Parts: sequence; structure tokens; C-alpha cells
Amino acid sequence: QQQVKQSPQSLIVQKGGISIINCAYENTAFDYFPWYQQFPGKGPALLIAIRPDVSEKKEGRFTISFNKSAKQFSLHIMDSQPGDSATYFCAASKAGGGADGLTFGKGTHLIIQP
Amino acid sequence: SQTIHQWPATLVQPVGSPLSLECTVEGTSNPNLYWYRQAAGRGLQLLFYSVGIGQISSEVPQNLSASRPQDRQFILSSKKLLLSDSGFYLCAWRLAWAYTQYFGPGTRLTVL
Repeated sequence: QQQVKQSPQSLIVQKGGISIINCAYENTAFDYFPWYQQFPGKGPALLIAIRPDVSEKKEGRFTISFNKSAKQFSLHIMDSQPGDSATYFCAASKAGGGADGLTFGKGTHLIIQP
Repeated sequence: SQTIHQWPATLVQPVGSPLSLECTVEGTSNPNLYWYRQAAGRGLQLLFYSVGIGQISSEVPQNLSASRPQDRQFILSSKKLLLSDSGFYLCAWRLAWAYTQYFGPGTRLTVL
């Protein structure tokens, strides 16, 4: 059972455009939602994360929008650059006091065309 | 600052051979440790996690096992590799009371 569904699987955006990746979750016990960026052959690196007590979080060109009632969250990359070309994963986990690992979406391969 | 190491970086092994992948974390104490496997097009799958020395929890039944002989050392093993064990293996850590999880550089395993 896939608990975090991510779309699209791949995305091509022109330089300077907005990249949008969406995720939906099923488990209402999840309360931490990070996004990871991964370059080929490297481990994932945390990009930005949100907790359900806020509806939006922005860090530079990266914004997470969170809709608790719809159980959906999305990543927006403003002014997309060729260096943003990577695979992006959304994830979710339960309260930080537990030992549970992250449940990941299947990833989005993002290509920014110059 | 904290650092996470994995070795080897790449490994090619024949079917039926044993496996040992190692992960170590520096700069922190008593971290939660995790092993994930990443297969093409399937995202990252949690395999094992550990909250302390000798404490291992398995998320999925498989041909693999994990051990934590020291506080900051996490080992992934197999007695006999299968073709389906090929993939990119990632170790991760986080503080027990925190949310953020940090990943290592990974080990690319190819079973032939």
C-alpha cells in the first residue's frame, strides 16, 4: 500500500518558469512532510520541510503548500534554473518522538531546459 | 558537525555471495539509524531502523539483515545475494527527538 502518492513522474520546465510537484498522503498520523532533492549517484538532501500547523513555508525559491483537509502538499520552485534539474522526493513521517522512518513518494524527475 | 559515511561506494557481487555494507555517523551520540533501498522508479523503501545498540526493527521481509554493534555503526548484511537485491542502498540518521533525517552518499550494489 503506497501511503504517499507523488505526481508527475517526470516534468520538463523552461528556465525561469515555475516547477510544481504534488503529493498526497493517506495516513492522518503523519505530521512531518519533507522534500528531498537528489542528484544522480548521490544521497538525497533535505530541501525544505513543513509541519501541518502552517499552510505554507517558503525558503528562497522553494515553497511548500500544505492542505491538511485534502491531505495534499506540493513543492513550488520559482524561477527554475538548470541547476535545479534533479529528482525530487516528497516524504512523510509520524511524530518526531517515534523511531519511524520516512515514507517516500516515488519521485519526480525534473528537467529545466535552458 | 555531523557526518555520515558509507562504504563501499560501489559493489558488484555474484548471486549467492555474502554482503556487508557499513555505515558510520560522526559528531553525534545515540542517533536513530536507518537503511533504505532505492530501486529505479520505485522511490526509497525503508528496510531497517535502529534506536540503539543491538536494537533492530525490520520493515519488510527480505533476504537482508541489519546489525548495530556500536552506537554510531550500522551494518547491512546478507548471507546469499539475489538478483533482486541490486539497488542503491542508503543509510540515514536523525536525532531521536528531532524530525530531520540526513542521508549518506549511498552504495550502488549490482548483483550479477
